[in-house]
Amino acid sequence: DSGVTQTPKHLITATGQRVTLRCSPRSGDLSVYWYQQSLDQGLQFLIQYYNGEERAKGNILERFSAQQFPDLHSELNLSSLELGDSALYFCASSRRTYTGTPNEQFFGPGTRLTVL
Amino acid sequence: KNEVEQSPQNLTAQEGEFITINCSYSVGISALHWLQQHPGGGIVSLFMLSSGKKKHGRLIATINIQEKHSSLHITASHPRDSAVYICAVPTYNNNDMRFGAGTRLTVKP
Repeated sequence: DSGVTQTPKHLITATGQRVTLRCSPRSGDLSVYWYQQSLDQGLQFLIQYYNGEERAKGNILERFSAQQFPDLHSELNLSSLELGDSALYFCASSRRTYTGTPNEQFFGPGTRLTVL
Repeated sequence: KNEVEQSPQNLTAQEGEFITINCSYSVGISALHWLQQHPGGGIVSLFMLSSGKKKHGRLIATINIQEKHSSLHITASHPRDSAVYICAVPTYNNNDMRFGAGTRLTVKP
């Protein structure tokens, strides 16, 4: 158990809908990272937050957004869902942001999103 | 060319064999991660290393920063080692993480 929790575990929804995925980092971790893992693309970095502020952006679509709240939990919002958004979504947490300092990340169990 | 390349893509071994998985990268990094993903989907961080060698049980990870290459070794492999092994590197001074495509390891009893 990494100490990172994600809810829900599974989510099935229809195209065009909007969903929210939630992540609670390990106690004391200030950074939260979101990743998408689809069958054809592998793991991809989406976005990172540090202590409530966005710190880095990867291949995140404009239909997706995220935020980190004062209690440090984070939410990833996916809207106007398409079939291709079906994937595993992982969040990870770490103590610090990654400004040149090695920084181990601890992964949550993931949310499996299926868009029908 | 991908920024992070792993080989082999698939690997089948007999229980007890010595396993090596390789990772080459082209982005500048301060550390490299080896991750393990089991069939259920969960990801576990195995190692984070920025130089030399690290050992944890039967797993050994090495990195050569000059050659931009890392290897993950598994000694005395066991069926429970069957998983996908992924190397990941952050871009230098950036929080963006780049992932290899993964190596699917199957260890047969």
